[in-house]
Amino acid sequence: EAGVAQSPRYKIIEKRQSVAFWCNPISGHATLYWYQQILGQGPKLLIQFQNNGVVDDSQLPKDRFSAERLKGVDSTLKIQPAKLEDSAVYLCASSPWGREGDSPLHFGNGTRLTVT
Amino acid sequence: DQQVKQNSPSLSVQEGRISILNCDYTNSMFDYFLWYKKYPAEGPTFLISISSIKDKNEDGRFTVFLNKSAKHLSLHIVPSQPGDSAVYFCAASRGDNYGQNFVFGPGTRLSVLP
Repeated sequence: EAGVAQSPRYKIIEKRQSVAFWCNPISGHATLYWYQQILGQGPKLLIQFQNNGVVDDSQLPKDRFSAERLKGVDSTLKIQPAKLEDSAVYLCASSPWGREGDSPLHFGNGTRLTVT
Repeated sequence: DQQVKQNSPSLSVQEGRISILNCDYTNSMFDYFLWYKKYPAEGPTFLISISSIKDKNEDGRFTVFLNKSAKHLSLHIVPSQPGDSAVYFCAASRGDNYGQNFVFGPGTRLSVLP
């Protein structure tokens, strides 16, 4: 089974520039998550999709962050404009749908963003 | 408001000994708990989980204990090996009609010394 794929692995941009990250979840996984992990902290949920619908985006800074999951498969996360505090690893994760037995998240290797 | 806490930022143990990592949570609605291991430059990898209807789950060298009344769980690694050196994250989940909502602790860095 192929894992969660993310690209790019690394990105360096200047503040006020824009950046986009891409994620392809495990085949058949209906739920997709984007997490932000700042150095020394645990992953923090930004947005959760169920198929192509948003379930939870309460912690997404919507003035600068946006995300979409077209056709319920791939997803992109965009930051525009970037701030210095956005420097972090952005992790995509997927999970089978719902509560038919608890199931863990499967993470990609993340995109390390550095904003200078 | 930190719902999942790991109060030890780091832990060092000797190879072959037991490693005990601790985690506390505040939300009594959490009903599924997980441990993840993370190596540098990689995403977190699922290690072991436990449902709130159980108080213990074992998988090889790894055992997770859950004390619901204390809102506390722990991960035991016996025997510890140098390859276990990594950052360990505790996570808790509560389900709803749309699936699971996972909250992570800040992590504990485990160093297993040869």
